[in-house]
Amino acid sequence: QQQVKQSPQSLIVQKGGISIINCAYENTAFDYFPWYQQFPGKGPALLIAIRPDVSEKKEGRFTISFNKSAKQFSLHIMDSQPGDSATYFCAASPNSGYALNFGKGTSLLVTP
Amino acid sequence: GAVVSQHPSWVICKSGTSVKIECRSLDFQATTMFWYRQFPKQSLMLMATSNEGSKATYEQGVEKDKFLINHASLTLSTLTVTSAHPEDSSFYICSARDPSGNTGELFFGEGSRLTVL
Repeated sequence: QQQVKQSPQSLIVQKGGISIINCAYENTAFDYFPWYQQFPGKGPALLIAIRPDVSEKKEGRFTISFNKSAKQFSLHIMDSQPGDSATYFCAASPNSGYALNFGKGTSLLVTP
Repeated sequence: GAVVSQHPSWVICKSGTSVKIECRSLDFQATTMFWYRQFPKQSLMLMATSNEGSKATYEQGVEKDKFLINHASLTLSTLTVTSAHPEDSSFYICSARDPSGNTGELFFGEGSRLTVL
């Protein structure tokens, strides 16, 4: 059973545009929500993470928006660049000491 | 950030043989490591939680006799795929959390691609 639902499955954005990926969860015990970026043949790398005590977190061009009541969170990539083309995974866990439950991933292509 | 290293990065073996994959935390001690499996264009699926000095905890549907996990030290966990078959071909990724850090970040290895002929 997929505990974290992610959409869209794939996304094409023009250079300079905003990429938006959404995730939803059901388990109210989740309180750690990271986003990972993965390039082909590589392990995932942490982009940004948020906890439920804040509704938004921004690091550079990457922003997480978190809606605790709706049990949803999203990743916004501002000024998207071709180098951002990768697969993005949202994830969640009860706390930072537990294994992560991953969404199915979003394949992002940023066109020049 | 902390570094998790996997070896080998890719391996090709014949059906019926066993393959060992190593996962090391290079600059921190990890009492717990996680092993994931990823099929092409799919998500990461947790296989097992590796605990230093004790038995691994396997996820439902993962054969513990097929995927042997040993976490003999605070910096090394190994995954052995026994009697490998073509359906075991996959990308195996380990991860660990630096307990001294305060971010809770889970660090991933670069992955090991197994191809069973």
